Amino acid sequence: DGGITQSPKYLFRKEGQNVTLSCEQNLNHDAMYWYRQDPGQGLRLIYYSQIVNDFQKGDIAEGYSVSREKKESFPLTVTSAQKNPTAFYLCASSLSLAASDTQYFGPGTRLTVL
Amino acid sequence: GQQVMQIPQYQHVQEGEDFTTYCNSSTTLSNIQWYKQRPGGHPVFLIQLVKSGEVKKQKRLTFQFGEAKKNSSLHITATQTTDVGTYFCAPGGYNKLIFGAGTRLAVHP
Repeated sequence: DGGITQSPKYLFRKEGQNVTLSCEQNLNHDAMYWYRQDPGQGLRLIYYSQIVNDFQKGDIAEGYSVSREKKESFPLTVTSAQKNPTAFYLCASSLSLAASDTQYFGPGTRLTVL
Repeated sequence: GQQVMQIPQYQHVQEGEDFTTYCNSSTTLSNIQWYKQRPGGHPVFLIQLVKSGEVKKQKRLTFQFGEAKKNSSLHITATQTTDVGTYFCAPGGYNKLIFGAGTRLAVHP
């Protein structure tokens, strides 16, 4: 069953702790993305990766870090430097970075920092 | 940089009424995609428009790309409760897709 998975669905953390969100795809896509969505808001790009071992900052990268050691995986770490981390995090992938390629989204992770 | 505005931000309609959302760009676009996000869900691809003046239909949904390739619209005829959600336009301009802020549609039975 091909697709993109994110885990966990819900995540609770104490303030000041780093937390890593998982994103895996078996679509053989080169490009992967992380978005943040706040209630009633649009999608804001955190980081994106065009290919393994390469990634670029998006519009709101401060307080976040990523790695792309494998084509299938693009984990996002929310660090303690992120001032307001409570949000819905969406991972997506596409064949390439081309604007004509469809993005496929995972189910998302709802992070709540207490 | 490229700017895209999606209007309205929010609209609620009675079931059976029509609905339209607009996406306007400050620059000429290479293409535009539309996505739908159901409440509590994730965005799902609906369609892509590439040609100037292009019109595509999916059942009750009609998508248009402007002649100047700077704007696009999504029109839903006779809305149903299943149409509830947020509709995002995603214009292609520079090196990757960007997403508009979305239009949230509420449908009252």
